[in-house]
Amino acid sequence: GQQVMQIPQYQHVQEGEDFTTYCNSSTTLSNIQWYKQRPGGHPVFLIQLVKSGEVKKQKRLTFQFGEAKKNSSLHITATQTTDVGTYFCAPNRGSQGNLIFGKGTKLSVKP
Amino acid sequence: DAGVIQSPRHEVTEMGQEVTLRCKPISGHNSLFWYRQTMMRGLELLIYFNNNVPIDDSGMPEDRFSAKMPNASFSTLKIQPSEPRDSAVYFCAITLGGNTGELFFGEGSRLTVL
Repeated sequence: GQQVMQIPQYQHVQEGEDFTTYCNSSTTLSNIQWYKQRPGGHPVFLIQLVKSGEVKKQKRLTFQFGEAKKNSSLHITATQTTDVGTYFCAPNRGSQGNLIFGKGTKLSVKP
Repeated sequence: DAGVIQSPRHEVTEMGQEVTLRCKPISGHNSLFWYRQTMMRGLELLIYFNNNVPIDDSGMPEDRFSAKMPNASFSTLKIQPSEPRDSAVYFCAITLGGNTGELFFGEGSRLTVL
């Protein structure tokens, strides 16, 4: 079964609008990774978060790890058409590693 | 990523036929994973190997699926006999060790079973 809940499943935005996807777990995570998959492509690693309350930025992307290490978010400021794709979280539950992916949030950006 | 080469990129076959998907990872990896991706079920872990040894194959759907890693530079995923519900994109991925344990995916093999 699914180990994490990722919401929303789909998000349609106008270019320039912000976008946020959330990843929620019922158990405490060791760390969490985020991946992006472009249409027709393969998942590509974006970042890993390890510390409670950690915030990391990559240009217009902001990644957060919750204080309880049970949830995480990815926020994109002022979306561009190049942001189109599906964003996956992959939690690390310790011994099993980052093996299981969330269902992903599919982002479409209207120019 | 050039670190994982998968073949074939596309395969169309008929129900009942045997399908073999191949993965050639770059040297230096420590783990190799096989994932299946469908619209309905997302990215599912099928099996993974550490140092060429299968560690967890609980994700393999049924006995029709088998995976091998005879050496560090080659792995196969075989479906025999194939069924239409096996239609999906199959990804091979590796980790290179280090701190992040990030997965490097191949470009995938898109399988269509008619």
